[in-house]
Amino acid sequence: GQQVMQIPQYQHVQEGEDFTTYCNSSTTLSNIQWYKQRPGGHPVFLIQLVKSGEVKKQKRLTFQFGEAKKNSSLHITATQTTDVGTYFCASPEGGTALIFGKGTTLSVSS
Amino acid sequence: DGGITQSPKYLFRKEGQNVTLSCEQNLNHDAMYWYRQDPGQGLRLIYYSQIVNDFQKGDIAEGYSVSREKKESFPLTVTSAQKNPTAFYLCASSIRLLGYEQYFGPGTRLTVT
Repeated sequence: GQQVMQIPQYQHVQEGEDFTTYCNSSTTLSNIQWYKQRPGGHPVFLIQLVKSGEVKKQKRLTFQFGEAKKNSSLHITATQTTDVGTYFCASPEGGTALIFGKGTTLSVSS
Repeated sequence: DGGITQSPKYLFRKEGQNVTLSCEQNLNHDAMYWYRQDPGQGLRLIYYSQIVNDFQKGDIAEGYSVSREKKESFPLTVTSAQKNPTAFYLCASSIRLLGYEQYFGPGTRLTVT
């Protein structure tokens, strides 16, 4: 079945550096959602992208959906310690439930 | 105060015992889900339900069972047939199955020895 592959699996940055995580699929995605899970917590919805080439911003976070709707990225500008956690992309498989990528775990040192 | 509750937060069982994890939502959502989370594996879908009295298997349904007798409740039973039951279990719900954000409960950490 459809899989969404996320890279990198782990990323460590110094506070103030930028961070990007990528989500790739071999098939066209109808839409993609992004979630954040803080250490010890549960995933929390960040955003949904639906249109080809769509770009959405939430403060220091920028989300992009590729033109071919096969990839997506989340970019964080000037990371802060509050950005620590695991970021997941997710997309519905074959019109059914969401399938999640394995996530990118971000650590930030001050 | 709306949301999803899961209980208990931590659960310990002996091998060979069935155990049922609770999930309740008061968001009036039609769709509910169960995920299993292991380190480095992301969230893997166990079962999902679009509506009361209906549910579908996810990617890793073997050794698990669910019921959806009420809209607000979607309990998960981890049976003795599940070979590696120790994991973090997350329940979620959404307004409907497709195109809507999922709201997650706080999770239950199950340890089987």
